[in-house]
Amino acid sequence: QSVLTQPPSASGTPGQRVTISCSGSTYSNIGSSYVYWYQQLPGMTPKLLIYNNNQRPSGVSDRISGSKSGTSASLAISGLRSEDEADYYCAQWDDSLSSPVFGGGTKLTVL
Amino acid sequence: QVQLQESGPGLVKPSETLSLTCTVSGGSVSSGSYYWSWIRQPPGRGLEWIGYVYFSGSANYNPSLKSRVTISIDTSKNQFSLNLRSVTAADTAMYYCAREGRSSSNFDNWGQGTLVTVSS
Repeated sequence: QSVLTQPPSASGTPGQRVTISCSGSTYSNIGSSYVYWYQQLPGMTPKLLIYNNNQRPSGVSDRISGSKSGTSASLAISGLRSEDEADYYCAQWDDSLSSPVFGGGTKLTVL
Repeated sequence: QVQLQESGPGLVKPSETLSLTCTVSGGSVSSGSYYWSWIRQPPGRGLEWIGYVYFSGSANYNPSLKSRVTISIDTSKNQFSLNLRSVTAADTAMYYCAREGRSSSNFDNWGQGTLVTVSS
């Protein structure tokens, strides 16, 4: 079974660049299929932020970027702003379960 | 733009069945390109995928909930539904319906969510 691990928290000051990691336990977790990232602002519905590892849906700021290498994926936010304070989740399709799997989520605090 | 809207009781008694419906507008649940999913989020916690249904009626469920869950689809009403049996307080959560790109984890459209509390 696929397990996606995220740090529970991350923080940065305005203007900084922060990264949030999403790790799989084996290559088959992260390496074999696309990774997706979701942003959940406080009290709001999750929103698709990155699809297919590094693609941004229309309307998502170009301060946001995604990458994947080996058994890890990362979400990077540059020029950090107070409105970036939110929970961030990675997700991936698990072929063995024929189902999606979410990471545990990372709470980003803008100091 | 596809829109999804959850509906159903906000309060369910322990041991009873939680039933929610998701109505889709601006798109068709009969599209073969998507799965129609339910996801929940207990207060203060992360997202948990519950399951999905395909237009054909075939469904797949989270193994941890599989024994209690049924997700069905009504293409004539452009709706899909969730039934979760024998609920306990641990099932108290915000329940979201969402459209998922087939075999992808690409949840590109979400309902606003509905809070369901399990309490006597």
